[in-house]
Amino acid sequence: DIVLTQSPGTLSLSPGERATLSCRASQSVTNRYLAWYQQRPGQAPRLLIYGASSRAPGIPDRFSGSGSGTDFTLTISRLEPEDFAVYYCQQYGSSRTFGEGTKVEIK
Amino acid sequence: QVTLRESGPALVKPTQTLTLTCSFSGFSLSTNGMCVSWIRQPPGTALEWLARVNWDDHKYYSTSLKTRLTISKDTSKNQVILTMTDMDPVDTATYYCARMIYGGPFDYWGPGTLVTVSS
Repeated sequence: DIVLTQSPGTLSLSPGERATLSCRASQSVTNRYLAWYQQRPGQAPRLLIYGASSRAPGIPDRFSGSGSGTDFTLTISRLEPEDFAVYYCQQYGSSRTFGEGTKVEIK
Repeated sequence: QVTLRESGPALVKPTQTLTLTCSFSGFSLSTNGMCVSWIRQPPGTALEWLARVNWDDHKYYSTSLKTRLTISKDTSKNQVILTMTDMDPVDTATYYCARMIYGGPFDYWGPGTLVTVSS
């Protein structure tokens, strides 16, 4: 199975700042089949990005994804209060695996 | 609109078999390309994909858990059922069902159901 490693484990930032989250795969992700999810406390994950860079319906354009092969990035251009949450990457090119998550917390 | 909801026991004893039901609306599992997966999340930790059933009844399982899992669908009832045998306290988790379109990500999720394994 493809192992996804997310970094950093925790990101401490202030509202309005830019967040950059990394996801590295143990082998190349087929066809950029890489998704990002946001999970707020007590809620189910919500799809943000699929195909490495396509925003899901209804997702604000401050969220953007990039990358290919084994290295992927989620960027939140300006953090809003509701963006403080845990973010998971997931690959769906070979079976399905998730990363360990990055918590974005208020500094 | 698409909705999913998990149901099942909140508490099971070690060695028992867990049966969870995912009831959904807004799509049909008889439609080409539709799939439903089960995913779990132990408290405070990451997500783990468990199993998937496709519109054509093909089934896929996590390599590490395949001997304990069975997934099935009841298209007429719009339900997907997951059974997990020989439950252990380490299986304590919130269990989610989620829809995916074949080859795609999980685009809709249920709210999840917490299952605690304890004697």
